[in-house]
Amino acid sequence: NAGVMQNPRHLVRRRGQEARLRCSPMKGHSHVYWYRQLPEEGLKFMVYLQKENIIDESGMPKERFSAEFPKEGPSILRIQQVVRGDSAAYFCASSPFPGDTEAFFGQGTRLTVV
Amino acid sequence: DQQVKQNSPSLSVQEGRISILNCDYTNSMFDYFLWYKKYPAEGPTFLISISSIKDKNEDGRFTVFLNKSAKHLSLHIVPSQPGDSAVYFCAASVRGYGQNFVFGPGTRLSVLP
Repeated sequence: NAGVMQNPRHLVRRRGQEARLRCSPMKGHSHVYWYRQLPEEGLKFMVYLQKENIIDESGMPKERFSAEFPKEGPSILRIQQVVRGDSAAYFCASSPFPGDTEAFFGQGTRLTVV
Repeated sequence: DQQVKQNSPSLSVQEGRISILNCDYTNSMFDYFLWYKKYPAEGPTFLISISSIKDKNEDGRFTVFLNKSAKHLSLHIVPSQPGDSAVYFCAASVRGYGQNFVFGPGTRLSVLP
């Protein structure tokens, strides 16, 4: 049973470009969480999705950021018009049940904006 | 406003001794607590959890203690090993649909040989 898969592992974008981060949850998991870790900081919640639904996006910046988890395919975190402050490690986690068991994390995507 | 706090950014312990990592929370609705371990350039790895109906959960060298009245939990690692050197994150959630996991800022543990 493959773990949570994130790709790419490293992504470099110029200011103003778009970044697309992908997350395939563990088999049988229908709940996906995105977290961001800025340098020297902890994990900050961004968004919680279930298949085709956004459950909680309270941690997501209001502009430029969006997330989806379609019926088929991976969850996508999309950052439009990236700025230097978006440089961070973005982690995806999945769980089979909401809030009742541990979430399993992927290895993260390290986004660098130049 | 930080709902989950880990007030010690770092901790150094001698190999073979006990490591105690602390975590405090402010939201009394939290009823499920987890500890994750993270190595550089890797994702967090689940370590151990505890629900609010318990005050202790043990798994090998790792024990988590929960004091609900003080809104405090701690992770004990005994004996500590050099491979335990990592950043440890405390996390909390409210059981039920629609709840996410709230993480603390982490404590960097260094186990010295």
